[in-house]
Amino acid sequence: DAGVTQSPTHLIKTRGQQVTLRCSPKSGHDTVSWYQQALGQGPQFIFQYYEEEERQRGNFPDRFSGHQFPNYSSELNVNALLLGDSALYLCASSLHGQDYGYTFGSGTRLTVV
Amino acid sequence: AQSVSQHNHHVILSEAASLELGCNYSYGGTVNLFWYVQYPGQHLQLLLKYFSGDPLVKGIKGFEAEFIKSKFSFNLRKPSVQWSDTAEYFCAVNSYNNNDMRFGAGTRLTVKP
Repeated sequence: DAGVTQSPTHLIKTRGQQVTLRCSPKSGHDTVSWYQQALGQGPQFIFQYYEEEERQRGNFPDRFSGHQFPNYSSELNVNALLLGDSALYLCASSLHGQDYGYTFGSGTRLTVV
Repeated sequence: AQSVSQHNHHVILSEAASLELGCNYSYGGTVNLFWYVQYPGQHLQLLLKYFSGDPLVKGIKGFEAEFIKSKFSFNLRKPSVQWSDTAEYFCAVNSYNNNDMRFGAGTRLTVKP
């Protein structure tokens, strides 16, 4: 059990569509980070949410947006999907101010056709 | 900009061989360093981490890593690998008191029985 729950596990979308991915952090964690992991690559940082605000952002276009709810869960939204958005999307949770590393979910496999 | 480099893309070893995976980072401030492992079909799991103190860090499953500040390196080692160590290994870094974690591209380890 990873402690971090992501849904759905797999998703197939068509180019141009929009998608929403969901994440519930590990109990006791208040910070959620999202990563994109393309096949054969390391996870690339998309953004991080804490106190319902985007705190940091990686090099991703505005088509990628997110939200954090009062219960610390989070959503990742991607608009105008491109074929290149096909990847494993990972959610990681942590406790703000504690450098103990992240707890990762199993990810959502997004395929854009 | 913060970056992490892993020297080996794919390493193939026989059981009982010794392992060393290279990791170099680029960052001007104080950093925290991590190694994560991703077994086939599973989520990322923390192997070990370095925050401060003894530069030789011991993790789970017999892994260890040495932080060499002058070389900006954090190499992962294991004296004798097992078939079950077959996985993808990721080095990661975040700056002190900053949860923005960046990953290397990963090294795929294949251990032949």
